[in-house]
Amino acid sequence: KAGVTQTPRYLIKTRGQQVTLSCSPISGHRSVSWYQQTPGQGLQFLFEYFSETQRNKGNFPGRFSGRQFSNSRSEMNVSTLELGDSALYLCASSSRQGARETQYFGPGTRLLVL
Amino acid sequence: AQSVTQPDIHITVSEGASLELRCNYSYGATPYLFWYVQSPGQGLQLLLKYFSGDTLVQGIKGFEAEFKRSQSSFNLRKPSVHWSDAAEYFCAINDYKLSFGAGTTVTVRA
Repeated sequence: KAGVTQTPRYLIKTRGQQVTLSCSPISGHRSVSWYQQTPGQGLQFLFEYFSETQRNKGNFPGRFSGRQFSNSRSEMNVSTLELGDSALYLCASSSRQGARETQYFGPGTRLLVL
Repeated sequence: AQSVTQPDIHITVSEGASLELRCNYSYGATPYLFWYVQSPGQGLQLLLKYFSGDTLVQGIKGFEAEFKRSQSSFNLRKPSVHWSDAAEYFCAINDYKLSFGAGTTVTVRA
């Protein structure tokens, strides 16, 4: 099975712009989670989607949003970019929602905000 | 709320020597614990997981971890380290979302 794929792998944006990141989960997986990784804050949970519905949300401002499509692919959007949004954004997929589920990660999208 | 702590920020080990990475968790119920590894510029790769049952779990790349409820620990071990094991290692607990430790960077010297 192909793993989790994320596009694009690298992005450079300027402050105030918006960005959309894409994630394709492992075939058959219906849950997609997003995480932000920065040197200062480490790995932080953004949100989880299951069956096209947001099930859990982390402590991030409303500028961070996401959605999931009927084929389980997911996108996250960040509006009005700030310098502090520079990070590695990781997507993870699992078969179902739940604490016993194993999450498999993609390679990430590295976002640089100038 | 659940949390994990990785007390060691950086560990240096000689190639061929044994490695142990510490992880302590805080959680009221049965924890679902994971170890992931991240090479520079890469995503996270699952090494192993603990859900229940046998407290010694085997993973990929020769890694194993031992769950000790009495010590709230889930330490990762490898008997003989290879240069390719140089990476950052993350312990995580799953309660409908993964909460990660700060990570331990492993340097392998020849």
